[in-house]
Amino acid sequence: GQNIDQPTEMTATEGAIVQINCTYQTSGFNGLFWYQQHAGEAPTFLSYNVLDGLEEKGRFSSFLSRSKGYSYLLLKELQMKDSASYLCAVTDSNYQLIWGAGTKLIIKP
Amino acid sequence: IAGITQAPTSQILAAGRRMTLRCTQDMRHNAMYWYRQDLGLGLRLIHYSNTAGTTGKGEVPDGYSVSRANTDDFPLTLASAVPSQTSVYFCASSDSSGVGNEQFFGPGTRLTVL
Repeated sequence: GQNIDQPTEMTATEGAIVQINCTYQTSGFNGLFWYQQHAGEAPTFLSYNVLDGLEEKGRFSSFLSRSKGYSYLLLKELQMKDSASYLCAVTDSNYQLIWGAGTKLIIKP
Repeated sequence: IAGITQAPTSQILAAGRRMTLRCTQDMRHNAMYWYRQDLGLGLRLIHYSNTAGTTGKGEVPDGYSVSRANTDDFPLTLASAVPSQTSVYFCASSDSSGVGNEQFFGPGTRLTVL
């Protein structure tokens, strides 16, 4: 079967750094996405990784290891507005996105 | 219209009733998708369309149907609603269905079936 695992909830402090992990087992791999979803809103795109390594985009970075079936999203200089759910999704061999349940990130002052 | 819109925003529906959720995009995207999102579960694909005139079944298609008569519109129909279809429904679109194409999401429809 296909499976995406992420922690259900994480808590971090404003100004700090947090790493959200995602492990996956899918039928094929054609890239991994990270999306942000604020409560009651639609998911919005954050990053895409298809090759191993780190992709940096401002305060957010995403890492991929295809051999380990593992990715993480790194958020630096946390702000209160970063309180949201972070969704990991993998494109499988049929080019469909398989989604994790999401990690709810709570930022405390 | 800017981006992707959905209607209605929310709806309470009696079991057994027929309901169509509307989705329209103005980005001229070829691919469109319908997902449902339930607490504790990831987004699950209901149906998709890679281009106008074609549709396909996703992970949870039973009880739902779609059509894609043109590029912009992708309605989702529940023929006879059941309580297990209570969920938040998101429509999404992407430039194509190929590798690496970011999906853009509509604001969602919150559906309650009693």
